[in-house]
Amino acid sequence: DSGVTQTPKHLITATGQRVTLRCSPRSGDLSVYWYQQSLDQGLQFLIQYYNGEERAKGNILERFSAQQFPDLHSELNLSSLELGDSALYFCASSRDRKNSPLHFGNGTRLTVT
Amino acid sequence: DQQVKQNSPSLSVQEGRISILNCDYTNSMFDYFLWYKKYPAEGPTFLISISSIKDKNEDGRFTVFLNKSAKHLSLHIVPSQPGDSAVYFCAASSNTGNQFYFGTGTSLTVIP
Repeated sequence: DSGVTQTPKHLITATGQRVTLRCSPRSGDLSVYWYQQSLDQGLQFLIQYYNGEERAKGNILERFSAQQFPDLHSELNLSSLELGDSALYFCASSRDRKNSPLHFGNGTRLTVT
Repeated sequence: DQQVKQNSPSLSVQEGRISILNCDYTNSMFDYFLWYKKYPAEGPTFLISISSIKDKNEDGRFTVFLNKSAKHLSLHIVPSQPGDSAVYFCAASSNTGNQFYFGTGTSLTVIP
């Protein structure tokens, strides 16, 4: 158990809809990262938050947004969903110290129909 | 632009033998390298890491080797066990940024 909790595990929704994915980081971790893994693809970095502030942005679409709350949990909002958004979405957290690894949750599998 | 590459999508090894998984990177600013293991329906699990000041790090059956001049790292698993069958991702980050860049993974099958 990595200590990172993601909900829900599975999400099935229709095109054009909006969903929210939730992540609780490990106790003591201030940084939260979001990654997308599409079929047979690697892990694509979306966005990172540190202690409530956006720190780095990767290949995140404008239809997607995220935030980190004062209790350090984070939410990833995906809107105007398209079939191609179907993927595994992983959240990871870290101590944000030099040479500290990411610890991943078990992901949310999003299926857009 | 894929800054971390795993050129072998899959690898099969007999139980008890050595598994060698390879990874190449292009960014010379990377100074921290990691290996993750992923089972189906689970998130990646941190396995072992190495900083650029070292060329080898060992943890039980797992050893990571770093060749900075070749921009290459490898993960050795000795002896390989059926429970090691999983997808292995390498990752890299730099001190100047907070992003972790991942390879596309190598699926390891250990045959009993």
